[in-house]
Amino acid sequence: EIVLTQSPATLSLSPGERATLSCRARQSVSSYLAWYQQKPGQAPRLLIYDASNRAAGIPARFSGSGSGTDFTLTISSLEPEDFAVYYCQQRNNWPLTFGGGTKVEI
Amino acid sequence: QVQLVESGGGVVQPGRSLRLSCAASGFTFNTYGMHWVRQAPGKGLEWVTLIWSDENNKNYADSVKGRFTISRDNSKNTLYLQMNSLRAEDTAVYYCARDRSKGRYFDLWGRGTLVTVSS
Repeated sequence: EIVLTQSPATLSLSPGERATLSCRARQSVSSYLAWYQQKPGQAPRLLIYDASNRAAGIPARFSGSGSGTDFTLTISSLEPEDFAVYYCQQRNNWPLTFGGGTKVEI
Repeated sequence: QVQLVESGGGVVQPGRSLRLSCAASGFTFNTYGMHWVRQAPGKGLEWVTLIWSDENNKNYADSVKGRFTISRDNSKNTLYLQMNSLRAEDTAVYYCARDRSKGRYFDLWGRGTLVTVSS
């Protein structure tokens, strides 16, 4: 199975700052990577798919980049509602796998 | 309203069975693949299983293969997860999730149902 490693585990930032989250795959997943946001007590929400495509209704401050084994989720200017846990997920190989998550906290 | 609503969770003893349901509304259920994804308390996300829209093609994580069975009733817009031989490590919130355009991403999620396996 493809292991996804997210870093850092926790990111401490302030509203208005830029957040850069990393997801590294142990082997290539091409561009078949997604990002999700999860707030406490809620289900995850799809943000980005195929590495760089924003899902419906996702604000433009969220952007994704990368291919192969290295991927980045960038939040250009943090809003108060962006403080949450973020997961990456690959669909290039079975089984579908998630990274361990990055918590973005104030 | 486009939504997924899970039900059927609860406390069950190790080795016993439980069936989860997920009621879909607001979209054409029979054209979408559907997944179950779980999250152990305080942990990350784990994909469990997928059933394609035609009901015949299914995929499972190794951790549940042979114990869990996914199914769907397109006439009732409902997804199921039959869980047999439950173990303590199956304790989790179970989410049903819609597949995004056969892309094996999850673009719509339910709120989840908690399954606790404990004696």
